[in-house]
Amino acid sequence: GESVGLHLPTLSVQEGDNSIINCAYSNSASDYFIWYKQESGKGPQFIIDIRSNMDKRQGQRVTVLLNKTVKHLSLQIAATQPGDSAVYFCAEMDTGRRALTFGSGTRLQVQP
Amino acid sequence: EPEVTQTPSHQVTQMGQEVILRCVPISNHLYFYWYRQILGQKVEFLVSFYNNEISEKSEIFDDQFSVERPDGSNFTLKIRSTKLEDSAMYFCASSDARGGVLREQFFGPGTRLTVL
Repeated sequence: GESVGLHLPTLSVQEGDNSIINCAYSNSASDYFIWYKQESGKGPQFIIDIRSNMDKRQGQRVTVLLNKTVKHLSLQIAATQPGDSAVYFCAEMDTGRRALTFGSGTRLQVQP
Repeated sequence: EPEVTQTPSHQVTQMGQEVILRCVPISNHLYFYWYRQILGQKVEFLVSFYNNEISEKSEIFDDQFSVERPDGSNFTLKIRSTKLEDSAMYFCASSDARGGVLREQFFGPGTRLTVL
């Protein structure tokens, strides 16, 4: 999965800092949301998901927040590490359709 | 840890030729998908497949595309007559539905298709 050439918004953080990546989604019928990480030359890798009946979900070092009122999703990464450097995509799904719609992505650069 | 695998990793073909991209989904998954990512663009849904039939497809998935599950393990995407604009990274994904609830889709590493 090449991201070369993508003019992505870029978030640059120092190692050890917390990162927040934001995403606006468009379909008010979407009821399932996933954050994926994509490293150069690889496929999207599942990070965390959340359903529309929740507004927060925590994983290991990651938290996803969902605000359905303004159709906004965020991914928080605690104690960011160089290995977290990648492009992050949010994806939404209306589970009646079974098709993920991906956002355009944010490139996270972690400075050691 | 089980994973989705795809072959080949890179396919180069001449315009007008047929290509078949192959995927082995995670073994206990029942839902299968194809997505593509044109260089410099975001990941786009092509098709979903369940119970040996297409359950959803996008406008990209026209008559030139077809999918098949020829046996109990493989899931293929065929492009009958490739066009230059079919050049992209093609990702296969699979998911299960425990308790009738769709769960996360796991993606393969992709096949880079180059149409000359």
